[in-house]
Amino acid sequence: AQKITQTQPGMFVQEKEAVTLDCTYDTSDPSYGLFWYKQPSSGEMIFLIYQGSYDQQNATEGRYSLNFQKARKSANLVISASQLGDSAMYFCAMREGTNRDDKIIFGKGTRLHILP
Amino acid sequence: DSGVTQTPKHLITATGQRVTLRCSPRSGDLSVYWYQQSLDQGLQFLIQYYNGEERAKGNILERFSAQQFPDLHSELNLSSLELGDSALYFCASSAGVGNSPLHFGNGTRLTVT
Repeated sequence: AQKITQTQPGMFVQEKEAVTLDCTYDTSDPSYGLFWYKQPSSGEMIFLIYQGSYDQQNATEGRYSLNFQKARKSANLVISASQLGDSAMYFCAMREGTNRDDKIIFGKGTRLHILP
Repeated sequence: DSGVTQTPKHLITATGQRVTLRCSPRSGDLSVYWYQQSLDQGLQFLIQYYNGEERAKGNILERFSAQQFPDLHSELNLSSLELGDSALYFCASSAGVGNSPLHFGNGTRLTVT
């Protein structure tokens, strides 16, 4: 069963607008972590932001924020004031548990295109 | 720069051959993960090691194997290669606890002809 779902294969957004990339997850473990990564066309994977299941506040990192709705099992990434350089593939990922022997699984990604 | 080093960057080989991909984790990180990314696909988890021991396994084929050495570097061995094994193979490392993110290497692009 797919545990991370990203329902938007592609998105087109005008420069300077805010963007919301959707991510829903499925787990029965009360302890988990959610990550977002950016993969530009050059191919590297860039860590953007992390949200822990017990964190009381939504995570923020510069222009990135995570809209964490625990009851709905969603962890949407919000990019404010989008820039041309934000055009990339974005992946949501989840780590279940806090043990050392956990695997981190990724969604299929959303390709974001920022239009000038 | 993530601090994770993967070699080689590119690898072109023929079907039926065997190759070894190498990864040096970020200094201080004990966990190493291997992922496969096929064209326009997400990242498929292959295997994870923590301090030399295998800890989690994903959809790794029997033709593939990996190990983590005492100095914490890791190798992914791919044998009896098929055309469908062509992909970008990522290594990532982390401290292996809680909220520590994965730090990715730049990947090895494998082309099987």
